[in-house]
Amino acid sequence: NAGVTQTPKFRVLKTGQSMTLLCAQDMNHEYMYWYRQDPGMGLRLIHYSVGEGTTAKGEVPDGYNVSRLKKQNFLLGLESAAPSQTSVYFCASSFSSTGQYYGYTFGSGTRLTVV
Amino acid sequence: KNEVEQSPQNLTAQEGEFITINCSYSVGISALHWLQQHPGGGIVSLFMLSSGKKKHGRLIATINIQEKHSSLHITASHPRDSAVYICAASQTGGGADGLTFGKGTHLIIQP
Repeated sequence: NAGVTQTPKFRVLKTGQSMTLLCAQDMNHEYMYWYRQDPGMGLRLIHYSVGEGTTAKGEVPDGYNVSRLKKQNFLLGLESAAPSQTSVYFCASSFSSTGQYYGYTFGSGTRLTVV
Repeated sequence: KNEVEQSPQNLTAQEGEFITINCSYSVGISALHWLQQHPGGGIVSLFMLSSGKKKHGRLIATINIQEKHSSLHITASHPRDSAVYICAASQTGGGADGLTFGKGTHLIIQP
Protein backbone atom coordinates (compact mmCIF):
# COMPACT_ATOMS: atom_id res chain seq x y z
CA ASN A 1 0.00 0.00 0.00
CA ALA A 2 2.68 2.50 -0.98
CA GLY A 3 0.28 4.89 -2.77
CA VAL A 4 2.31 7.53 -4.63
CA THR A 5 6.09 7.37 -4.32
CA GLN A 6 8.41 10.16 -5.44
CA THR A 7 12.15 9.88 -5.90
CA PRO A 8 14.40 11.54 -4.98
CA LYS A 9 13.19 13.38 -1.88
CA PHE A 10 15.93 16.02 -2.01
CA ARG A 11 18.29 17.20 -4.71
CA VAL A 12 20.68 20.05 -5.30
CA LEU A 13 21.51 20.88 -8.92
CA LYS A 14 23.85 23.33 -10.53
CA THR A 15 22.44 25.71 -13.12
CA GLY A 16 22.36 24.01 -16.48
CA GLN A 17 22.34 20.44 -15.16
CA SER A 18 19.56 18.05 -16.04
CA MET A 19 17.62 15.59 -13.92
CA THR A 20 14.53 13.41 -13.86
CA LEU A 21 12.03 13.14 -11.04
CA LEU A 22 10.20 9.84 -10.84
CA CYS A 23 6.64 9.35 -9.65
CA ALA A 24 5.24 5.84 -9.22
CA GLN A 25 1.74 4.86 -8.11
CA ASP A 26 0.44 1.39 -7.32
CA MET A 27 -3.30 2.18 -7.27
CA ASN A 28 -3.94 1.71 -11.00
CA HIS A 29 -4.96 5.37 -11.27
CA GLU A 30 -5.57 6.77 -14.72
CA TYR A 31 -4.63 10.39 -14.07
CA MET A 32 -1.28 11.67 -12.88
CA TYR A 33 -0.02 15.18 -12.24
CA TRP A 34 3.08 17.17 -11.45
CA TYR A 35 2.72 20.32 -9.34
CA ARG A 36 5.21 22.77 -7.92
CA GLN A 37 4.80 24.61 -4.64
CA ASP A 38 6.52 27.91 -4.00
CA PRO A 39 6.39 30.13 -0.88
CA GLY A 40 3.36 32.43 -0.84
CA MET A 41 1.78 30.71 -3.83
CA GLY A 42 -0.66 27.88 -4.23
CA LEU A 43 0.39 24.66 -5.91
CA ARG A 44 0.60 25.12 -9.65
CA LEU A 45 0.13 22.47 -12.30
CA ILE A 46 3.17 21.78 -14.49
CA HIS A 47 2.04 18.86 -16.65
CA TYR A 48 -0.53 16.12 -16.39
CA SER A 49 -1.50 12.84 -17.98
CA VAL A 50 -4.91 11.26 -18.44
CA GLY A 51 -3.54 7.88 -19.44
CA GLU A 52 -0.56 5.83 -20.55
CA GLY A 53 1.19 7.45 -23.49
CA THR A 54 -0.59 10.81 -23.13
CA THR A 55 0.59 14.06 -21.59
CA ALA A 56 -0.61 17.66 -21.55
CA LYS A 57 0.66 21.05 -20.43
CA GLY A 58 -0.56 22.68 -17.28
CA GLU A 59 -0.24 26.23 -16.01
CA VAL A 60 3.58 26.45 -15.80
CA PRO A 61 5.10 23.93 -18.28
CA ASP A 62 8.10 25.91 -19.56
CA GLY A 63 11.46 24.30 -18.82
CA TYR A 64 9.94 20.89 -18.05
CA ASN A 65 9.17 17.76 -20.04
CA VAL A 66 7.24 14.68 -19.02
CA SER A 67 6.65 11.13 -20.13
CA ARG A 68 4.22 8.42 -19.20
CA LEU A 69 5.37 5.25 -20.92
CA LYS A 70 3.78 3.03 -18.28
CA LYS A 71 0.49 3.64 -16.50
CA GLN A 72 2.08 3.52 -13.07
CA ASN A 73 4.95 5.93 -13.75
CA PHE A 74 5.05 9.64 -14.56
CA LEU A 75 8.47 11.22 -15.11
CA LEU A 76 9.28 14.92 -14.88
CA GLY A 77 12.43 16.10 -16.59
CA LEU A 78 14.42 19.29 -16.28
CA GLU A 79 16.64 19.62 -19.34
CA SER A 80 18.67 22.63 -18.19
CA ALA A 81 17.94 23.59 -14.61
CA ALA A 82 17.54 27.25 -13.65
CA PRO A 83 17.41 28.87 -10.19
CA SER A 84 13.73 29.73 -10.89
CA GLN A 85 13.01 26.01 -10.79
CA THR A 86 13.99 25.82 -7.12
CA SER A 87 10.78 24.54 -5.57
CA VAL A 88 9.04 21.63 -3.92
CA TYR A 89 7.57 19.29 -6.49
CA PHE A 90 4.54 17.12 -5.79
CA CYS A 91 3.23 14.27 -7.84
CA ALA A 92 -0.41 13.23 -7.50
CA SER A 93 -2.75 10.69 -8.98
CA SER A 94 -6.50 10.25 -9.24
CA PHE A 95 -9.05 8.25 -11.18
CA SER A 96 -12.60 8.20 -12.38
CA SER A 97 -14.79 5.21 -12.94
CA THR A 98 -18.20 4.96 -14.57
CA GLY A 99 -18.49 8.75 -14.59
CA GLN A 100 -17.61 9.12 -10.90
CA TYR A 101 -14.52 11.10 -10.07
CA TYR A 102 -12.48 10.24 -7.04
CA GLY A 103 -10.10 12.42 -5.09
CA TYR A 104 -6.38 12.83 -5.16
CA THR A 105 -3.46 10.97 -3.61
CA PHE A 106 -0.24 12.97 -3.27
CA GLY A 107 3.37 11.93 -3.06
CA SER A 108 5.54 13.20 -0.23
CA GLY A 109 7.31 15.78 -2.37
CA THR A 110 10.77 16.44 -3.82
CA ARG A 111 12.66 19.46 -2.57
CA LEU A 112 14.83 20.73 -5.43
CA THR A 113 17.39 23.50 -5.10
CA VAL A 114 19.14 24.90 -8.17
CA VAL A 115 22.29 26.90 -7.41
CA LYS B 1 -8.98 30.75 -15.29
CA ASN B 2 -10.52 30.08 -11.93
CA GLU B 3 -9.35 32.19 -9.02
CA VAL B 4 -9.45 30.45 -5.65
CA GLU B 5 -9.21 32.63 -2.56
CA GLN B 6 -8.91 31.49 1.03
CA SER B 7 -9.36 33.32 4.30
CA PRO B 8 -7.87 33.80 6.73
CA GLN B 9 -4.27 33.28 5.64
CA ASN B 10 -3.19 32.63 9.22
CA LEU B 11 -5.23 31.56 12.22
CA THR B 12 -4.15 30.93 15.79
CA ALA B 13 -6.69 29.54 18.24
CA GLN B 14 -6.87 27.84 21.60
CA GLU B 15 -7.49 24.15 22.01
CA GLY B 16 -11.20 23.36 21.98
CA GLU B 17 -12.26 26.30 19.82
CA PHE B 18 -14.50 25.95 16.79
CA ILE B 19 -12.52 26.75 13.64
CA THR B 20 -13.82 28.01 10.30
CA ILE B 21 -11.77 28.41 7.14
CA ASN B 22 -13.36 29.95 4.06
CA CYS B 23 -12.81 29.42 0.36
CA SER B 24 -14.32 31.25 -2.59
CA TYR B 25 -13.87 30.68 -6.30
CA SER B 26 -14.66 32.76 -9.34
CA VAL B 27 -15.87 30.26 -11.93
CA GLY B 28 -18.30 27.36 -11.72
CA ILE B 29 -16.64 24.08 -10.80
CA SER B 30 -17.32 20.36 -10.84
CA ALA B 31 -15.89 19.74 -7.35
CA LEU B 32 -14.17 21.49 -4.46
CA HIS B 33 -11.38 19.79 -2.56
CA TRP B 34 -10.06 20.37 0.94
CA LEU B 35 -6.54 19.23 1.65
CA GLN B 36 -4.30 19.21 4.70
CA GLN B 37 -0.56 19.79 4.51
CA HIS B 38 1.37 18.66 7.55
CA PRO B 39 4.39 20.53 8.93
CA GLY B 40 6.58 17.85 7.35
CA GLY B 41 5.15 18.74 3.93
CA GLY B 42 2.93 15.79 3.08
CA ILE B 43 -0.48 16.55 1.56
CA VAL B 44 -3.58 14.59 2.48
CA SER B 45 -6.96 14.82 0.82
CA LEU B 46 -9.70 15.53 3.39
CA PHE B 47 -12.85 16.09 1.34
CA MET B 48 -14.10 16.32 -2.19
CA LEU B 49 -17.58 17.77 -2.55
CA SER B 50 -19.79 19.13 -5.28
CA SER B 51 -22.84 19.99 -3.19
CA GLY B 52 -24.12 20.13 0.36
CA LYS B 53 -22.08 18.98 3.30
CA LYS B 54 -19.68 16.22 4.30
CA LYS B 55 -18.47 15.20 7.75
CA HIS B 56 -15.54 13.12 8.86
CA GLY B 57 -14.85 12.95 12.57
CA ARG B 58 -14.42 16.52 13.84
CA LEU B 59 -14.12 17.96 10.33
CA ILE B 60 -17.08 19.32 8.38
CA ALA B 61 -17.00 20.73 4.86
CA THR B 62 -19.83 22.65 3.23
CA ILE B 63 -20.30 24.17 -0.18
CA ASN B 64 -22.76 26.72 -1.61
CA ILE B 65 -22.69 26.38 -5.38
CA GLN B 66 -24.78 29.50 -6.02
CA GLU B 67 -22.48 31.70 -3.91
CA LYS B 68 -19.29 29.93 -5.12
CA HIS B 69 -18.19 29.47 -1.53
CA SER B 70 -17.05 26.62 0.68
CA SER B 71 -16.14 26.36 4.35
CA LEU B 72 -14.12 23.90 6.38
CA HIS B 73 -15.02 23.63 10.05
CA ILE B 74 -13.09 21.93 12.82
CA THR B 75 -14.97 21.21 16.04
CA ALA B 76 -13.21 20.80 19.40
CA SER B 77 -9.88 21.77 17.86
CA HIS B 78 -6.70 20.06 19.08
CA PRO B 79 -2.99 20.91 18.70
CA ARG B 80 -2.64 17.98 16.30
CA ASP B 81 -4.96 19.88 13.91
CA SER B 82 -2.17 22.42 13.40
CA ALA B 83 -1.38 22.35 9.68
CA VAL B 84 -1.92 24.25 6.45
CA TYR B 85 -5.41 23.72 5.03
CA ILE B 86 -5.78 24.16 1.28
CA CYS B 87 -8.86 24.37 -0.88
CA ALA B 88 -8.71 23.54 -4.57
CA ALA B 89 -11.19 23.51 -7.42
CA SER B 90 -11.57 21.10 -10.31
CA GLN B 91 -13.21 22.37 -13.46
CA THR B 92 -14.00 19.34 -15.55
CA GLY B 93 -16.46 16.58 -14.71
CA GLY B 94 -13.76 13.94 -14.51
CA GLY B 95 -11.28 16.20 -12.81
CA ALA B 96 -8.69 15.04 -15.29
CA ASP B 97 -7.11 18.39 -16.05
CA GLY B 98 -5.88 19.12 -12.56
CA LEU B 99 -6.81 21.46 -9.73
CA THR B 100 -6.57 25.19 -9.10
CA PHE B 101 -5.34 25.77 -5.57
CA GLY B 102 -5.78 28.48 -3.00
CA LYS B 103 -2.71 29.69 -1.14
CA GLY B 104 -3.66 27.89 2.05
CA THR B 105 -4.59 28.77 5.62
CA HIS B 106 -1.90 28.23 8.23
CA LEU B 107 -3.68 27.03 11.38
CA ILE B 108 -2.01 26.83 14.79
CA ILE B 109 -3.91 25.37 17.75
CA GLN B 110 -2.33 26.22 21.08
CA PRO B 111 -2.76 23.95 24.11
